[in-house]
Amino acid sequence: NAGVMQNPRHLVRRRGQEARLRCSPMKGHSHVYWYRQLPEEGLKFMVYLQKENIIDESGMPKERFSAEFPKEGPSILRIQQVVRGDSAAYFCASSVTGARYGYTFGSGTRLTVV
Amino acid sequence: QQQVKQSPQSLIVQKGGISIINCAYENTAFDYFPWYQQFPGKGPALLIAIRPDVSEKKEGRFTISFNKSAKQFSLHIMDSQPGDSATYFCAGTYSGGGADGLTFGKGTHLIIQP
Repeated sequence: NAGVMQNPRHLVRRRGQEARLRCSPMKGHSHVYWYRQLPEEGLKFMVYLQKENIIDESGMPKERFSAEFPKEGPSILRIQQVVRGDSAAYFCASSVTGARYGYTFGSGTRLTVV
Repeated sequence: QQQVKQSPQSLIVQKGGISIINCAYENTAFDYFPWYQQFPGKGPALLIAIRPDVSEKKEGRFTISFNKSAKQFSLHIMDSQPGDSATYFCAGTYSGGGADGLTFGKGTHLIIQP
């Protein structure tokens, strides 16, 4: 029973390139959440998705960031034209019924923009 | 999102001692308060959680104390062990509304000295 799978674990991009982060939720989980963690900061909520729907994207930057959770396949967090300030650890979490009963987090993707 | 303030930022405790991490929240609509434990290179993992209708919850060596009137809650780790060395995050959330994400504190780096 695999947990939440994120890939890649580490991603290096040059400024201006695109970054694609993938998240496969736990089997049976239909709720996916993306969080960003900066050094010495807590986890900041970015977006909450269910299959084919964005439920809440109140934490997403207005530009360059997008997320999807298609009917088939993993959830994707896409960052266009990356800048150094995008360097962070990005965590995906999934749950059966929502945050109120706790998430299961993946091990994260550490994005470095050079 | 409303803040959750966590202190201290870092904590060093001798093996066998009691580790205490404190959190304060602003949003009185919060009705679920989980704690997460994160080891280096890993995603956060749910440790223990409490609802505001109880003042204390204990699971093994981990206890949450909750003071609803003061809007504060704390994590106590009894008989702290080197394996408890990790970053701990408190969080809050509530049902209803558009967002289903957790609001996290900034974390506490706990080191247990042998």
